[in-house]
Order: sequence, then C-alpha cells, then structure tokens
Amino acid sequence: EAQVTQNPRYLITVTGKKLTVTCSQNMNHEYMSWYRQDPGLGLRQIYYSMNVEVTDKGDVPEGYKVSRKEKRNFPLILESPSPNQTSLYFCASSQPRFGTEAFFGQGTRLTVV
Amino acid sequence: AQKITQTQPGMFVQEKEAVTLDCTYDTSDPSYGLFWYKQPSSGEMIFLIYQGSYDQQNATEGRYSLNFQKARKSANLVISASQLGDSAMYFCAMRERGDYKLSFGAGTTVTVRA
Repeated sequence: EAQVTQNPRYLITVTGKKLTVTCSQNMNHEYMSWYRQDPGLGLRQIYYSMNVEVTDKGDVPEGYKVSRKEKRNFPLILESPSPNQTSLYFCASSQPRFGTEAFFGQGTRLTVV
Repeated sequence: AQKITQTQPGMFVQEKEAVTLDCTYDTSDPSYGLFWYKQPSSGEMIFLIYQGSYDQQNATEGRYSLNFQKARKSANLVISASQLGDSAMYFCAMRERGDYKLSFGAGTTVTVRA
C-alpha cells in the first residue's frame, strides 16, 4: 500500500530536549516536505527536499532541521524545542510532475511543555 | 501576502443537501494547480480533487466538484448530497509551477446534520 509513515503520532516533551520525528515513504517520490498546522493558519511549510542531499527552507524553518540521506526518509529534528513549536506536524511526499497530489503522513501531534 | 483565502471558518449543512466551500487565490504565475484536501477528526489529510489552471473543464470526482472561475481567481468546492461522514475540515491549496510548495488556506470546518 502506498503510504507516508510518520512516527511518533503523539509526543509530549519538555523545553530543550532534542527530538526527532521520522518520516518514510514507499512510493519512490523525489519530493518530500514538512508542514506544521496551527489553528487559523492552515498548513505552513517548514522544510522541503527535492532529492537526496538536497534540502531547503520553507516558510517557517526557524528551530527545525532536516536531513535527506536516503530517498525514502526525511526526518524532522527539533534541536531545542520550545512551547511555540507545539503543533500538528505533517510529512508529505509527491512526484515532481506538476499536477500530482501530495501524499501526507498521519500527522504527529507535538506538545512542548 | 496570503495566497489562499478561505473566508468561512465553519459551516453547517443538512444531510443530503449540497454545500459550497469558498476559496480564492492570488498568484501572478499563469501556470498553477489547485487542490482540495479533507481532514476528518482523526487528523489525516485526504486528497479530494485537483484543477489545473489550463484545464478547460471544471474538475469532478464523485460527489465533489470544483467550480473554477479563473478570472475571479476562485476555486470553490461543491459537495453534493452531503453525508454524515463529510463532517471534517476542508483545505484549499495551490501550487505554482515554479514552486513545489503547497500554499494552504486556513480551512473550513463542515458539520453535517442528520
């Protein structure tokens, strides 16, 4: 089954404790990205990757890091989480061909206290 | 500047009736795509329908249709014969050809009443 898998689904952590949210896709998609969803703001892009070892900042990259060492995996790293990073996070993947939809992971609800 | 505007934070619709969700967009790129996603209370994002800027006909997918008015820069989603399972948040999104990013609106919550 074609899917994007994120882990964990839920996470409560304390300020400053480094964490990683994993994302893996099995569709051989070149393009992957991370979004955060906040009430009234919709989804905003954090980082994206065009292919292995190619990443770039989205609209809200501050406080986040990413890496793309393999085509299927695109982890999101919060080196020192803060309460304003409490949000619902989505990983997405798609083919670069214009007009194709993005496939989203199940979401990770992160709470930083 | 906001690229996607959804002006209806929440809507109620009676079961079996049709509902229209508004979406307006802003772009200077002549080539772009418009997407609608559904987010049920379980949280996942479900792709519903796509409309390309050069498509001559309005997109349809089952009970979903997209009322695309290019000159007005609007891409409203119409859900016909609403079902209780249609209760969810709906997002309009746009991708410009020069960019891989999806720009999302704030979303509209639809509640279907029995």
